[in-house]
Amino acid sequence: DVKVTQSSRYLVKRTGEKVFLECVQDMDHENMFWYRQDPGLGLRLIYFSYDVKMKEKGDIPEGYSVSREKKERFSLILESASTNQTSMYLCASTSAGAGGNEQFFGPGTRLTVL
Amino acid sequence: GDSVTQMEGPVTLSEEAFLTINCTYTATGYPSLFWYVQYPGEGLQLLLKATKADDKGSNKGFEATYRKETTSFHLEKGSVQVSDSAVYFCALIASVSNDYKLSFGAGTTVTVRA
Repeated sequence: DVKVTQSSRYLVKRTGEKVFLECVQDMDHENMFWYRQDPGLGLRLIYFSYDVKMKEKGDIPEGYSVSREKKERFSLILESASTNQTSMYLCASTSAGAGGNEQFFGPGTRLTVL
Repeated sequence: GDSVTQMEGPVTLSEEAFLTINCTYTATGYPSLFWYVQYPGEGLQLLLKATKADDKGSNKGFEATYRKETTSFHLEKGSVQVSDSAVYFCALIASVSNDYKLSFGAGTTVTVRA
């Protein structure tokens, strides 16, 4: 059974803290994505990566960075957490090839910044 | 830019009712179209997809037809069950050959009552 796992389901942090969200996939996928999900806004792409060491900005990269040192792991970093980064964060992966391939999602991390 | 517009919710139905969720898109080229579903407490999972005009995607009793002339991909189910209660997202990939980024609609929350 294919799987995308995220390090935490729920996380509470304080303003100004550095926050790490980890994502691991076991499908040998080349492509990985980080989204945030907010009511009424759907999913918005933060960063994505099509290969190890590679990263590209999505639609809302401000305040975030990423790291992909290994193919199976894609980390999202909030350098200095702020209250407007309170949200649900979803990681996804897909294989390379035709762009119609399914993205597989993790269960999400609900982050609250106080 | 590429975008997806889906009907706003929430939608509340009784069991065995007919469900329609409207979705229209704006994209250059020939996008692939998707419906994803998010059950309570879970990540997103692919419900169905269509990769070219007039294709019909179907799964779990749900159907959607890719209509290029009306730029639409409406989701339908003839008889819903309580277990269909979820958030439904319409999404597209703008260019099949070399782009893996999904653009999502805002999501429609569906509640089915027994």
